[in-house]
Formats: sequence, structure tokens, C-alpha cells
Amino acid sequence: QLQLQESGPGLVKPSETLSLTCAVSGGSVSTSSYYWAWIRQSPGKGLEWIGSIYYTETTYYSPSLKSRVTISSDKSKSQFSLSLTAMTAADTAVYYCARPNSYASYSFDYWGQGILVTVSS
Amino acid sequence: EIVLTQSPGTLSLSPGQRATLSCRASQSVSRDYLAWYQQKAGQPPRLLIYAASSRATGIPDRFSGSGSGTDFTLTISRLEPEDFAVYYCQHYVTSLWTFGQGTKVEIK
Repeated sequence: QLQLQESGPGLVKPSETLSLTCAVSGGSVSTSSYYWAWIRQSPGKGLEWIGSIYYTETTYYSPSLKSRVTISSDKSKSQFSLSLTAMTAADTAVYYCARPNSYASYSFDYWGQGILVTVSS
Repeated sequence: EIVLTQSPGTLSLSPGQRATLSCRASQSVSRDYLAWYQQKAGQPPRLLIYAASSRATGIPDRFSGSGSGTDFTLTISRLEPEDFAVYYCQHYVTSLWTFGQGTKVEIK
């Protein structure tokens, strides 16, 4: 059974860079034909796709966040990471890692539990 | 960029009633890449439907999806107490993913 687990700081200061990691167990980030993704949800709001990384390490980002986002993977540790620069209060959200399933119309069939990140001084 | 608009924002119904949720795309999209999720408070979303009408593993058959082009529908045939939640549609195209803003199904 695939499991994803986010880790990282729960509190970030304005203007700093957020770094989160998603550990993948029961599977591998190097599995052919699969993407891995980051999604966030601001308090009381809807879901926002941040970006994805393909097993080839090609990355794709939301146009609205592209200038601030970097996603990378570490195949040796079976994990992938999110870096989001210049954090502001508007970036306060629950951050989820998830797997889009290329065999199920690229829908997100596995999710981590999420990690709440608050931006505050 | 494709925008998904869900309606209504809130649906107030009683257990046993039928729920019909709408997802409208700003331009015609492939039904092959349209999905629906259920989210309860404090939990990550759960995949219900993919490819517009295919139920994900373990999803009860009271959940069904339909539609094509710009208009898609999620139907819950008879609401169970555990179905009261927020529902999101989502679309994929060439390595870009988009979500609708959600519909809350609440107990009347």
C-alpha cells in the first residue's frame, strides 16, 4: 500500500523560503510513468495545485506560482521536495503531497495527511 | 488556462435525498481527464470518480459521474450521513492540473 508523509516546519517567517519533503513508502518516486505532486489548501478554502515532478525529474508548475516554486526528487531516499520562496501570509495553508495516477486519468489517488504551514513573524 | 466552476456553492439536503453537483469548464475538455473528490474536515481529499464516470476503488455505487464537453455532474443517488462533505472536481491537461472551488453538501 502506497503511503505519503509530509514533513517540514509548521511556522515560517514572511519573506523566508518554505522547504517541505514528502516521503514515499510502499512505492518509489522513480516508478515509470508516474508523477508526484504538491497541492495546498488555504484555511477554509479550496484546493490549489502547486506543481508536479515526473519520474524523469521533469517538473511542471502552476503558472501563478511558477516564479517561486521548485520541486525536486531524491530517488535514493524515495522522497520529493517542495521549495517555495518569498513566503507571505497568503501562503498559509495545509500542504499536501499526492500521487497523480497515470492509469486513472492523472487523478490524485494517494494523498499524504497534510502539514499546516503558518506564515507569521 | 481552464477554469472549473462548481455549483451550487452549498447544497442543503436531507439523508436519503439525491444530490446533483455541477462542474462547468471554461472551455471544452476531455472527459477522460475529469475527476471528483470528497473531502471531510481535517482529512485529505478522497478520489471518488475519474475519467468523468469511473468509480475509484472502494467507492459505493450511489456515487456516479457523467458529462462531457464543458458540463459535468456528480450524482449521489441517496445521501448517507457520511456523504455530507465538500466535493471538488478536477481536470488534467498536458501536465497541468486544475481544481474547482468546491461544493459543500450539508445536512438540511
